[in-house]
Amino acid sequence: DAGITQSPRYKITETGRQVTLMCHQTWSHSYMFWYRQDLGHGLRLIYYSAAADITDKGEVPDGYVVSRSKTENFPLTLESATRSQTSVYFCASSTEHEQYFGPGTRLTVT
Amino acid sequence: GNSVTQMEGPVTLSEEAFLTINCTYTATGYPSLFWYVQYPGEGLQLLLKATKADDKGSNKGFEATYRKETTSFHLEKGSVQVSDSAVYFCALSVLNSGGYQKVTFGTGTKLQVIP
Repeated sequence: DAGITQSPRYKITETGRQVTLMCHQTWSHSYMFWYRQDLGHGLRLIYYSAAADITDKGEVPDGYVVSRSKTENFPLTLESATRSQTSVYFCASSTEHEQYFGPGTRLTVT
Repeated sequence: GNSVTQMEGPVTLSEEAFLTINCTYTATGYPSLFWYVQYPGEGLQLLLKATKADDKGSNKGFEATYRKETTSFHLEKGSVQVSDSAVYFCALSVLNSGGYQKVTFGTGTKLQVIP
C-alpha cells in the first residue's frame, strides 16, 4: 500500500542497548523527518533528510544517528539508549507544502 | 525563533456543543498554518490548512481563519461528535534555509466529547 510505514510499532529496550527504528515511504518524497513526541513538548524535530545521502540535525539530535542510502528509507538509530529517550517517534515525509506522518513507534527504555 | 501557543487541555464537551481551540503564533516571514489531528494510537493527520492571511481552512466541519493582525488560527466546529475525540495540534511552517518547510508544533490540546 502507498504511504509511510514505521516498524516496530512498539519496542522495549534496556539502557545502553542499540536500537533502530525503521521508516519507509512509497511516494518518493525527497524530504523525510524524524520527530519525537513528549507530553508538554508537542513534536520536536530530531533529524531530517533532503535526499538520499543528505541528512542534517534538527532541534534535538543528541544520542541519535540517521542514514539514508535509499530515497524510500530513513532509519533512526539510538546507539546507546537512555531512559530520557523513552518517547513516541514519528517519521514523516513531505511534498513542497505538506508533511505526511507515519503511525509512530512507541519506545520504552528501561 | 518561531513558536506556537495553544490552549491547554483537556477540553471536555458534550456531544453537539460548540468547539473552539485557541492558537496563536510567532513567526518571521510568511508562515503557512495548520491544524493536525491525532486519534488514539495513530499518527498525525492534516485536518486543515491556510497559506496566507485571511484564508479560511475547512474540513469535516472544522474551520480556522488565518488572522495576521492577531497572529491567530483558532479552530472551531459548530457541533462536535464523540468521534472528534482526539488530540489537536496547531502548527506553522516556514521555508527553512535548508530548503524545506520547517514545521513548528504547539503542544497539543486533547478533546474529549461525551455522549
